[in-house]
Amino acid sequence: SYVLTQPPSVSVAPGQTARITCGGSNIGSKSVHWYQQRPGQGPVLVVYDDSDRPSGIPERFSGSNSGNAATLTISRVEAGDEADYYCQVWDAGSEHFCVFGTGTQVTVL
Amino acid sequence: EVQLLESGGGLEQPGGSLRLSCAASGFSFSTYAMSWVRQAPGKGLEWVSAISGGGGSTFYADSVKGRFTISRDNSKNTLDFQMNSLRAEDTAVYYCAKSRRYSTNDAFEIWGQGTMVTVSS
Repeated sequence: SYVLTQPPSVSVAPGQTARITCGGSNIGSKSVHWYQQRPGQGPVLVVYDDSDRPSGIPERFSGSNSGNAATLTISRVEAGDEADYYCQVWDAGSEHFCVFGTGTQVTVL
Repeated sequence: EVQLLESGGGLEQPGGSLRLSCAASGFSFSTYAMSWVRQAPGKGLEWVSAISGGGGSTFYADSVKGRFTISRDNSKNTLDFQMNSLRAEDTAVYYCAKSRRYSTNDAFEIWGQGTMVTVSS
C-alpha cells in the first residue's frame, strides 16, 4: 500500500516560516491535499491540488509538490497556526483508496 | 452555511453493530461524493469509506471491507454507515466529510465534528 511520511513535529517561532514535508513514492504525479486539525476539532482543508487554497484560508498557507516530496509552507507563523497537519492523496492503482500522511504537530515557540 | 452533523456513536461490545448517520445541509447533497474518516484516540487520520454523489460507486479500506457498508439517501440529504462485527480496533472518532466534487478522488473540503465509537466489553 502507498505510504506518506511526515516529520512527527516541527517547531517555529512566531513570524518565521514553517515547512512540513510529505514524502511518498513519485508523489509529484499525484494531487496532494493538506489539512489542519486543532485540538478537539475536526480537520480543516488548507491546501488542495498541491497548491490551491480554499476560500477563507490565508495566503500565508502555500503548497508545492515535486518528485518524491510535497511541502506545506506556513509563512509568518502565528500562535493560532499551532495544530496537527496531515497530507492526503488518492492512490487508485488497482484499489481505489485514500491515504493520509502520518501527521505533523506544529508548535509555535 | 454548509454543515455536516454526525450521530449514532456510542459504546458497543466486540462483535456488535452500530449505525452512524450524517445529516448534511447548506449544499446540493447529491452533487458531491462523501466519505467517512476515522481517528483512533491519540492517532492520525484514517480514511475508511467513500461513496459517489449518486451512490452508485462505493469504496472501502481493507480494514473495514466486508464489515461496514456506506450508503446515502439523496432525498433526505443523509449519509449512513452500517458497522457490523465491530472490533476493539474500530474504536475512534468517526468524521463525515464532503468531497469537492461528484467523484470520490478529491480533497475533503468540509468535515463534521465527529462522533465517538467505542468498542469494548
